[in-house]
Amino acid sequence: AQTVTQSQPEMSVQEAETVTLSCTYDTSENNYYLFWYKQPPSRQMILVIRQEAYKQQNATENRFSVNFQKAAKSFSLKISDSQLGDTAMYFCAFRPYSGAGSYQLTFGKGTKLSVIP
Amino acid sequence: NAGVTQTPKFQVLKTGQSMTLQCAQDMNHEYMSWYRQDPGMGLRLIHYSVGAGITDQGEVPNGYNVSRSTTEDFPLRLLSAAPSQTSVYFCASSRGGGPQHFGDGTRLSIL
Repeated sequence: AQTVTQSQPEMSVQEAETVTLSCTYDTSENNYYLFWYKQPPSRQMILVIRQEAYKQQNATENRFSVNFQKAAKSFSLKISDSQLGDTAMYFCAFRPYSGAGSYQLTFGKGTKLSVIP
Repeated sequence: NAGVTQTPKFQVLKTGQSMTLQCAQDMNHEYMSWYRQDPGMGLRLIHYSVGAGITDQGEVPNGYNVSRSTTEDFPLRLLSAAPSQTSVYFCASSRGGGPQHFGDGTRLSIL
């Protein structure tokens, strides 16, 4: 079974600054996917970024980038030039690449990010 | 494209009542799933389906039933509601290894 740990229940950042959210995971799988989801107060679950474990290059989506350290089982999210609209809960999630559990997402407990004007 | 549609958005039940949460997707995704979200717990998988006629249990299946008679629909049934089932419920769908698309959620309160 996989576990996903987000050690920061709450964080805050000044508008236009950079913030990094931490995520660690535990698995015996070699190939898998990692995700960051954003949940604003509207409650929607929005995919922010996805990383395939077999890719060494870190994924980037505009102001969002990840630092993927496979050996350390670490997957942090960096948000650059923070905007008020980034205020949300952020969830880290894991999914095996293949096998019986390959469709199932395992989520961390989330980090509540507040962007301060 | 409507994506993943969940109904209702809000519901209040009394203990012991039954109800069905509806989920429909129009993307022809073979995989659909139900999660519940509780404060401080993240999202936990209740049941999932990898295609019409095929369902399986997730992490927290007790008290819930599902069926998948069509590709589009994946209803979640509470046969006898309990206060412990007060939660926000999300339905999601995906194709193969692609990212999961989530519905807007159903907030369920059981008194």
